[in-house]
Amino acid sequence: EPEVTQTPSHQVTQMGQEVILRCVPISNHLYFYWYRQILGQKVEFLVSFYNNEISEKSEIFDDQFSVERPDGSNFTLKIRSTKLEDSAMYFCASKAGTDNTDTQYFGPGTRLTVL
Amino acid sequence: EDQVTQSPEALRLQEGESSSLNCSYTVSGLRGLFWYRQDPGKGPEFLFTLYSAGEEKEKERLKATLTKKESFLHITAPKPEDSATYLCAVGSNYKLTFGKGTLLTVNP
Repeated sequence: EPEVTQTPSHQVTQMGQEVILRCVPISNHLYFYWYRQILGQKVEFLVSFYNNEISEKSEIFDDQFSVERPDGSNFTLKIRSTKLEDSAMYFCASKAGTDNTDTQYFGPGTRLTVL
Repeated sequence: EDQVTQSPEALRLQEGESSSLNCSYTVSGLRGLFWYRQDPGKGPEFLFTLYSAGEEKEKERLKATLTKKESFLHITAPKPEDSATYLCAVGSNYKLTFGKGTLLTVNP
């Protein structure tokens, strides 16, 4: 069964450093997303991406964040200068179609620890 | 702005003891309500999508129902392997808004 994959599973970085989180969405899916979950808190939407552009972004997704689909398979989230409060699980998701009720399938997550 | 509230925050059941989890939502127009299961340190795993009031869906020991203001996840005769956090979300093409989840523990 196709699934979303993410690398690395755990990333440790120093405050102020740049990190890139990588995702391979399910093949032939059209919509791509990033969410984050701070320990003990709810899953929060960061950004959605469709047709090679950002569809919607949350207040969390400020100028320090960027997304890219550099080729036909990868989808990346870059944090330019990490802060302590960026420590969280980051989940990538993808969705096949354009119907609102189509399912978003989530990857296993990348645990980001900022020291 | 969409809002999702789940209750209870935590629920402890004995194996075989049926119960229900609640998800109440406030949206400008429901475009889809989703139930996910999340195990510790893992990503959300899709369970159900509901769209219309009165809709019901079942999978093994789980049944999800939807009204105009809330959704219920009914768990019949749960087993220890059903222990997880159950997440409710409302969404559109562009994003899902999640509740905080219900942590379900099923004791043998």
